[in-house]
This record gives sequence, structure tokens and C-alpha cells, in this order.
Amino acid sequence: EVVMTQSPLSLSVTLGKPASISCRSTQGLVHRDGHIYLNWFQQRPGQSPRRLFYKISNRDSGVPDRFSASGSVTDFTLKISRVEAEDAQIYFCLQTTHWPYTFGQGTRLEI
Amino acid sequence: EVRLVQSGGGSVKPGESLRLSCAVSGLIFTKGWMNWVRQTPGKGLEWVGRLRRRSDGGTADYTSPVKGRFTMSRDDSKNTLYLQMNSLRTEDTAVYYCVTGGGDYGFDFWGQGTLVTVS
Repeated sequence: EVVMTQSPLSLSVTLGKPASISCRSTQGLVHRDGHIYLNWFQQRPGQSPRRLFYKISNRDSGVPDRFSASGSVTDFTLKISRVEAEDAQIYFCLQTTHWPYTFGQGTRLEI
Repeated sequence: EVRLVQSGGGSVKPGESLRLSCAVSGLIFTKGWMNWVRQTPGKGLEWVGRLRRRSDGGTADYTSPVKGRFTMSRDDSKNTLYLQMNSLRTEDTAVYYCVTGGGDYGFDFWGQGTLVTVS
């Protein structure tokens, strides 16, 4: 099973400042079709997760462009260029290259 | 608008059974694989299983904690996904989500979540 390790697990950021979350996998996430199926999600307590990015850096519709994602093979990063109050949520990475699919532990972003 | 509406959660005793449902609208159900994911405060988000569309064989894969006890199925005529949970254990207590993902769809549509409590 691929283990996804996020860091930090908790992050306190001042409004308007940048934030960065790392996600590392214990195996390379290149699928046999050549794609890397690494997703990022955001979740408010009591709500369903919302996908932000898929295949490393493809932004979902409605995701503000202050969010960006990058990475390759085993190391991935989610960045927020200027944190806003509504970004105070929990962020997860998810790999869907290898079965079973696995999530990171989650990073709580506090303002 | 895509909607995944879940039903069937609740509170049961260890060893009992429960069935969850997930009614899907707004997309072509037969074109997608479907999944169940669960979440607990202690273990975070955990995949339960995935169910292929009929054209990919219609078979399911399960993760180790639930293999042999949980069964996923789908009724394409009703656009509905099911999760039959037998021999429930206290550690199965979680919020369960149905999720699209695989086939023609990504992991971008989630149900509202349903709480299952085994105690």
C-alpha cells in the first residue's frame, strides 16, 4: 500500500501571506498509462471533501487561482499565494494511481 | 447539476448489518465507476472499495479492513450505488461517502456523507 505523508499537519498563516503543504508518497505515482494521479482536496468540518486539483496540477472549476499545485513522481506541493479567511480548512492529498487508493493524513490550515 | 444523495446510515450493534444507498443524478451513471470512502477523526479518510462499470466487468475491489464483510453493488436502472455492510465492528464507525471516480469520471463528486455508528 502506498503511504501518503503530508507536512505540516497543522499550519498557521497570516491573512495575505503564502502557505505551502507537502505530500510525499512511498512509491512513485506514475501509472502505466503515463499519468500521475495525484489529487488535492479541501474540506470544511461537517462537509464533504471538495477536489481542488487532479493529475498533480489540473485545477478544478471554481478553484481560485491563488491556489496552485505541482510536483512529480513522489513529491507534491499545494500552495496558496495569499491566504484568505475562507481558506481555513483541512487539505488532503489523494493518490489514485495504485490500488488501494490512499489519502494523506490531512493538513489543518489556521488563520 | 450532479447530485449524489445518500441514505441508510444509523446506529447498530457489533455483528449486525446495514445497507447504504447512493442515488446519482446529473451524469450518465453507467459511464462511471463508483466508490465508497469513510472518514473517522482517528484514521482520517480511508478508501472502502471501488465498483467498475458494467462495460469494465462490473467487479469490485475492497480494502483489507472490509474485505469479506462489505459488498458493493449497483442498480444501473435506478442510478443507485449500494454498500451492504455485514458483521459490523466498532472500528467501522465512520462517516461514509459515495464518490464518483474511474471510467469516464474523476473523483470530483461526493455524496453528503452518512454516519454509521457501531456500538
